[in-house]
Amino acid sequence: GENVEQHPSTLSVQEGDSAVIKCTYSDSASNYFPWYKQELGKGPQLIIDIRSNVGEKKDQRIAVTLNKTAKHFSLHITETQPEDSAVYFCAAYPTEAAGNKLTFGGGTRVLVKP
Amino acid sequence: DVKVTQSSRYLVKRTGEKVFLECVQDMDHENMFWYRQDPGLGLRLIYFSYDVKMKEKGDIPEGYSVSREKKERFSLILESASTNQTSMYLCASSLTSGRGEQYFGPGTRLTVT
Repeated sequence: GENVEQHPSTLSVQEGDSAVIKCTYSDSASNYFPWYKQELGKGPQLIIDIRSNVGEKKDQRIAVTLNKTAKHFSLHITETQPEDSAVYFCAAYPTEAAGNKLTFGGGTRVLVKP
Repeated sequence: DVKVTQSSRYLVKRTGEKVFLECVQDMDHENMFWYRQDPGLGLRLIYFSYDVKMKEKGDIPEGYSVSREKKERFSLILESASTNQTSMYLCASSLTSGRGEQYFGPGTRLTVT
């Protein structure tokens, strides 16, 4: 089955700096890659996603890039703010033949220092 | 807004007890999921359901069962709780399968002593 590895596990940045989280996946058939943000005491919430026919997608201060050849995708947060402090999860979705299951990475705890 | 609620935020049970975790969603979603969240391991899928009375095993179904008698409610059952089931349990729902956004509840922190 699919395996998703996420790095780093923790990331501390100064407010205003950029943060980058990287994920690799094993199943070349995977074609959908969402990113979820989990704030303290809450469930994860989708913040951005990318499909395999797109190389990059941006939404204000966040962007996601996908390299299908290398089987890795990344989340970029620019001009970080204290409210960006949270745990971030990447995930991959293989084809329907593999079942309706998202496979999540291990998570990255991001701390933005004011 | 989609709302997914879980019956308890914190639960403490003893080894061997039968434990029920309840999840309710209010958006008429077809799909519902139960995940377990452990540090460094991310979210691991226990079971999911794509319709009433339908269920499919996820990646770590051992020691768990589920029930979906009504579309809005999905229950996770620990038949005989063990200490290695101490974890955060998250329920989610989605309108479409796979590529659809999953909406998560706040989680239940279960401690088995």
